[in-house]
Amino acid sequence: GENVEQHPSTLSVQEGDSAVIKCTYSDSASNYFPWYKQELGKGPQLIIDIRSNVGEKKDQRIAVTLNKTAKHFSLHITETQPEDSAVYFCAASKNNQGGKLIFGQGTELSVKP
Amino acid sequence: GAVVSQHPSRVICKSGTSVKIECRSLDFQATTMFWYRQFPKQSLMLMATSNEGSKATYEQGVEKDKFLINHASLTLSTLTVTSAHPEDSSFYICSARADRALNNSPLHFGNGTRLTVT
Repeated sequence: GENVEQHPSTLSVQEGDSAVIKCTYSDSASNYFPWYKQELGKGPQLIIDIRSNVGEKKDQRIAVTLNKTAKHFSLHITETQPEDSAVYFCAASKNNQGGKLIFGQGTELSVKP
Repeated sequence: GAVVSQHPSRVICKSGTSVKIECRSLDFQATTMFWYRQFPKQSLMLMATSNEGSKATYEQGVEKDKFLINHASLTLSTLTVTSAHPEDSSFYICSARADRALNNSPLHFGNGTRLTVT
């Protein structure tokens, strides 16, 4: 089955700096890669996603890149703010399994003011 | 936007009792819903895929007789933890995607249920 590896497990940056989180996946058939932000005691909230027919996607301070050949994708957050502090999860899915998501291990991001 | 509502948000029960958790899609129909489990500071682990009108599909290692799933309508799936024990204490989260959406489209999550078994 699919296996998603996420690094780093923790990341601390100064406010205004950039943060990068990386994920690799094992199943070349995976074609959908969302990123979720989870705050303490809450469910994950989708922040950005990318499909396999696209190499990069950007939404204001957040961007995601995908390298299908290497089977890895990354989340980039620029101009970080304290409210960006949370746990971020990458995930992968493919069409033929009903779209179920397999998650990475998570990255705890801390943005220091 | 698509909203998934989960109830209760917190529940404390005694060992040996059963607990039912509800997951509702509020503004869309969802033939398929997914149940995840999350231990503190860990990732979300898929437990089962809930299918309206048919049996749920459980992931390897998940006891189907312990975690009963009922998906009786296109907007409601329930997870019942039977004969709960302290090791079942966890954060349970459901998710759903609108039927009209493609499989490679966003999956929306509820806010989770914190189960504590004493």
